[in-house]
Amino acid sequence: DVKVTQSSRYLVKRTGEKVFLECVQDMDHENMFWYRQDPGLGLRLIYFSYDVKMKEKGDIPEGYSVSREKKERFSLILESASTNQTSMYLCASSDGGGNQPQHFGDGTRLSIL
Amino acid sequence: QQPVQSPQAVILREGEDAVINCSSSKALYSVHWYRQKHGEAPIFLMILLKGGEQKGHDKISASFNEKKQQSSLYLTASQLSYSGTYFCGTADSGTYKYIFGTGTRLKVLA
Repeated sequence: DVKVTQSSRYLVKRTGEKVFLECVQDMDHENMFWYRQDPGLGLRLIYFSYDVKMKEKGDIPEGYSVSREKKERFSLILESASTNQTSMYLCASSDGGGNQPQHFGDGTRLSIL
Repeated sequence: QQPVQSPQAVILREGEDAVINCSSSKALYSVHWYRQKHGEAPIFLMILLKGGEQKGHDKISASFNEKKQQSSLYLTASQLSYSGTYFCGTADSGTYKYIFGTGTRLKVLA
């Protein structure tokens, strides 16, 4: 089974801090994704990567950046955390093209105070 | 553009049926359906690739209309274990971008 591991289940940070969310997958998947989940808004795509060092903006990239230095690891960075970034963050990976299903981590519930 | 799901939420009693719709303003390359139980990661249920396709397993099935702009998920004789949030997901044709619908919260009561 594919295993996608997010570094923290719960995280509390302060406004203005630089925050790192880490995601690791163990199935050699090409594609990795970061989403945030908010009530009534579903899952919204922040950034995705289809290869090492490649990244593309999703629908809501403002205030975020990403890093993919190794195939198995995809990091989400909040450059200067703000309270409106309090949310559930989900990492996912998939193999090949768009017909392949996404495999998710358990999520990180991030609170910005 | 994020696909829109309807209804936003639904409450059922065990044994009742439900339909969840996923609509897009443009033709979809394919549609995936996922279920997320409270506090857990979303889990893949099924994929539909072709316009007019229908597929399913057990008492959960789905269809993809001919124009590939709408998909529906059918839950028949619902069980308590069906409770959760259901999402449709799709990839932009020709890209690796993958987006999800707005989600439908389903609760099955005993």
